[in-house]
Amino acid sequence: GAVVSQHPSWVICKSGTSVKIECRSLDFQATTMFWYRQFPKQSLMLMATSNEGSKATYEQGVEKDKFLINHASLTLSTLTVTSAHPEDSSFYICSARTPTASNEKLFFGSGTQLSVL
Amino acid sequence: TQLLEQSPQFLSIQEGENLTVYCNSSSVFSSLQWYRQEPGEGPVLLVTVVTGGEVKKLKRLTFQFGDARKDSSLHITAAQPGDTGLYLCAGDQSNTGKLIFGQGTTLQVKP
Repeated sequence: GAVVSQHPSWVICKSGTSVKIECRSLDFQATTMFWYRQFPKQSLMLMATSNEGSKATYEQGVEKDKFLINHASLTLSTLTVTSAHPEDSSFYICSARTPTASNEKLFFGSGTQLSVL
Repeated sequence: TQLLEQSPQFLSIQEGENLTVYCNSSSVFSSLQWYRQEPGEGPVLLVTVVTGGEVKKLKRLTFQFGDARKDSSLHITAAQPGDTGLYLCAGDQSNTGKLIFGQGTTLQVKP
């Protein structure tokens, strides 16, 4: 089956620095990818929809200048957490949709645990 | 306001017992998916339901989609310790892959 690779799996950074997370579709082209955030013992919250070749669409309450999303190719979307603060510490997960009409063709990455000191 | 209400959020049962998890909404979904997630990992798809009234079975797991496509349930028969984990329902309103997740149900099955 299709695989979505997310890198890094975990990252620790100092407050004020920026962190980039990559989401790659390994064996299919994904025109659309999604970024989610998950706090401990909570569910996934959609942050933004990443569209190849165009600007990302952010959900209400998500700061687009803080969470920069770039979808420069059909197999790669990146999420950059800029000027990270401890409250940004969370589990970030991406998903990618294969170019079919079926909703079953949606695959999740393995997630990135971000810890901001 | 939570678009997709999932209940219960926590469940601790003994091995062999049955359980049901519910996801309810006032909105219609084009499809609804159930996932299981282990700590530190991404969610893994269990099933997708798309037709109102649809019932799907996956070994001891039975999934049902409401007739109006607003609600769904997951029933586990004879739960085993290996079923322990976080179960998530997620709905897609417009067939775009953009999922709205329920709050999740943390299931603990004691031997």
